[in-house]
Amino acid sequence: EPEVTQTPSHQVTQMGQEVILRCVPISNHLYFYWYRQILGQKVEFLVSFYNNEISEKSEIFDDQFSVERPDGSNFTLKIRSTKLEDSAMYFCASSFRRDEQFFGPGTRLTVL
Amino acid sequence: AQRVTQPEKLLSVFKGAPVELKCNYSYSGSPELFWYVQYSRQRLQLLLRHISRESIKGFTADLNKGETSFHLKKPFAQEEDSAMYYCALSGGAGGTSYGKLTFGQGTILTVHP
Repeated sequence: EPEVTQTPSHQVTQMGQEVILRCVPISNHLYFYWYRQILGQKVEFLVSFYNNEISEKSEIFDDQFSVERPDGSNFTLKIRSTKLEDSAMYFCASSFRRDEQFFGPGTRLTVL
Repeated sequence: AQRVTQPEKLLSVFKGAPVELKCNYSYSGSPELFWYVQYSRQRLQLLLRHISRESIKGFTADLNKGETSFHLKKPFAQEEDSAMYYCALSGGAGGTSYGKLTFGQGTILTVHP
């Protein structure tokens, strides 16, 4: 059964550094999402992406964040200058229609 | 604004007992409601959604628009049901939402032998 994959599983970075989190959605899916979960808190929506553009984003998704689908298979989340409060588990998800979303295993980002 | 509330962080039952995980929501339009489950060391996966009105692994959930609730129920809990359960809401595929999910805090269900 096809799955969403994410790399790396754990990323440690210094405050102020740029990080890129990578996701490979399920191949025939059309909608792509990033969520994050700070330890002990809710899973929070960051951004949705459809037809090669951002379709919706949350207040969290400020100018420090960007998403890209560079080659038709990968879906990346970039954080330009990481802050301590960006430490969280980041989940990628994809869906064929705007209904059932399939989640990746997550990338744990630790900002020191 | 969309909001999902799961009032119980932890729920413990014994094997064979009924279980109900509560979920209440706030949304001005016609929402689509989901239950996602995360077993230990596994990814989030869809358990069921209100539109399909089916029973998965013995779990059912009914959308009650009057009470704005979508409680998850199972008549006889099994040890393998132990997991984190998340209630989630989206604006529905027919609306302007692109499927953004709003999650509740999650409930950790522990089923004791």
